[in-house]
Order: sequence, then C-alpha cells, then structure tokens
Amino acid sequence: QKEVEQDPGPLSVPEGAIVSLNCTYSNSAFQYFMWYRQYSRKGPELLMYTYSSGNKEDGRFTAQVDKSSKYISLFIRDSQPSDSATYLCAMSERGWGAQKLVFGQGTRLTINP
Amino acid sequence: GAVVSQHPSWVICKSGTSVKIECRSLDFQATTMFWYRQFPKQSLMLMATSNEGSKATYEQGVEKDKFLINHASLTLSTLTVTSAHPEDSSFYICSASGRGSVSAEQYFGPGTRLTVT
Repeated sequence: QKEVEQDPGPLSVPEGAIVSLNCTYSNSAFQYFMWYRQYSRKGPELLMYTYSSGNKEDGRFTAQVDKSSKYISLFIRDSQPSDSATYLCAMSERGWGAQKLVFGQGTRLTINP
Repeated sequence: GAVVSQHPSWVICKSGTSVKIECRSLDFQATTMFWYRQFPKQSLMLMATSNEGSKATYEQGVEKDKFLINHASLTLSTLTVTSAHPEDSSFYICSASGRGSVSAEQYFGPGTRLTVT
C-alpha cells in the first residue's frame, strides 16, 4: 500500500465549476499537508499548506485536512482555464522546509473554456 | 520568490555512459537540497537528501554508487547518473531549502528529462 494515494484522473470540468481534489494517506505521523501545482515540463510550485487538521482558505482555493479519516482535500472555486495543471498533494512528518516530503501521484486537471 | 534552476533541461545519452545534472539556487543559500525522480504518471519519489558539505543521505532502494550526489556549495548540487541504462530514463527534479525567509518551504527546479538509448 502506498503511503499517499491520489486519483490520477484525468479530470475535466467546465470553466467556473467547483473542483474537488483529494488524497488519502496511511501514515498517522504526517502532520504537515501541502498542495503543489505542476505545469507541463515544470517543477512543482507550492499552492497551499496546512498543519494538522482544519481548513485554510486562500482566494479561490480551500484546503481541508481530516486527520481522523486520513483524508485531505483541495477545493477550487470559480475555476479558470489557467488552473489547468497537475495537482499533487504532499505530506511530511516534521515540516515543509528541509524535511522529507511524500507525494501523491498527482491529478491532471483540465478546465474547459 | 526563490528560484531554483536545473541544467540541462533535457538530455539524451547512450546506455553505459554517465550524465551530470546541475541544480542551482539562484537567489538564496540552499543549506539542504533534495533530488526526486518522477516516472510518467507517477508521483515524485525522493531519491536523496544532501546538506552542504556533507555526504548525501539516500532513500531505501536508491543505489548510492549509481546516483552520485555532490553538494559542494550553498548554491549548487549535482546528480551524476553513472553507467546509465534505459530504465534510468525519467524526469529528475531537485528542490532546495535555505536559511532565513526561504527556510519555510522547498523550492523546486524545472526538472531534467533524461532519456537513455
């Protein structure tokens, strides 16, 4: 069993739709949860990060963590074609700086105009 | 924001030869650098962690004699794939974490696509 599971998609939705992306994990020691966005032939860029359980909102993006269910989500409101990318969840036991990150497989998302 | 570059962006080499990939932090001092490998439609897998001036720490299953990592300065780390074989063909990505304001996250390079023929 992989430590982090993420549906690879692809996921295609119309512009303006609400997008829901999620990951499950098995390691209960994970405390830091991140979402990265990766465009084709580019490195990942950090989108949002949260510590422990709870919600965090940043503009059109909302990250949710439910540690009791070992389940994290990323919601994108009013989706735009520029949001088309691969979204990767990542997790760590001790932070997101100089710490080992474990990534999900990534979900390829396409927003259709 | 902090910028990490990689060179080359794409390399093709013959089986049995060695290839070196560079990772540079352009505007900050990277005390820790990470090397990841990403196969098509798969997640980034951490290969090794290197701290400036120290030997790299390799993840289980990664051959340290095959994937040589050098982190000789605070702005440069190199990954050398020795005696490359077609199964080493992959997307190699580095990330860097540094001091001060950039210590809160890892900044990723754009990746290097390696094709071994």
